Amino acid sequence: DAGITQSPRHKVTETGTPVTLRCHQTENHRYMYWYRQDPGHGLRLIHYSYGVKDTDKGEVSDGYSVSRSKTEDFLLTLESATSSQTSVYFCAISGDKNYGYTFGSGTRLTVV
Amino acid sequence: RKEVEQDPGPFNVPEGATVAFNCTYSNSASQSFFWYRQDCRKEPKLLMSVYSSGNEDGRFTAQLNRASQYISLLIRDSKLSDSATYLCVVTTNTGNQFYFGTGTSLTVIP
Repeated sequence: DAGITQSPRHKVTETGTPVTLRCHQTENHRYMYWYRQDPGHGLRLIHYSYGVKDTDKGEVSDGYSVSRSKTEDFLLTLESATSSQTSVYFCAISGDKNYGYTFGSGTRLTVV
Repeated sequence: RKEVEQDPGPFNVPEGATVAFNCTYSNSASQSFFWYRQDCRKEPKLLMSVYSSGNEDGRFTAQLNRASQYISLLIRDSKLSDSATYLCVVTTNTGNQFYFGTGTSLTVIP
C-alpha cells in the first residue's frame, strides 16, 4: 500500500548511538502508531499520536521518543540504542478505529 | 492478564482441510474486532473485520461471541497460500488503541 512508507527499511547501528526512524503517510489519517515486533511478544505499542504535536506513550516506551510536527510524518527516535532494541519496527495509521490499521512495510533494526 | 490471547499453534493442516482459530479478549467493553494476516517478514494486513452478526468472505468466516468474549476465524478448503500467521485485534470504546494477539501460525501442507 503506497499510503504509508517507512524509512529506512534496514539499519545496523552501534550501541549508544541515536537512531531515528521515519513514517510518512499520504492518507491524511489522524492516528499514527509505532510498534515493535519480537518473537514471543507479538506487536507491542511504543508510542502513538492522535494529531500534530499530540502524542502518548504505549506499553514499551522507555528509551524511545517521538515527534509529529506534520500530519504526514511520525518520527521515532531511539535516544541511545541498546541491543535490546534490536527488533522489527512497524508504523501504522488509522483514520477511524472501526476500520482497522494500515501498516508500513517495517524497519529491521539491528543494534550491535 | 493480556488484553488479547491466542493459541500460538502451530497449526499444520493438509490442503483442503477446514481449520478454526479462536481468540479471547479480557475487556468486556471492547468495541471493534479484526483478523489480520501476516506473512513471514512482512507487515500485518487486514484480512477481515468481525461483526456481531458474523461475516463471511469467500472461504473465510469470522464470528464474535460477546457473552464468552471470544472471536473466531474459520478457513474452509485451505490453500497453500493460506500459510501465514493470523493475528486477532481488538479495540475498546475509549481511545483509538488496538490490542493485538501474539498470532496463530498456520502451515498448509500439500
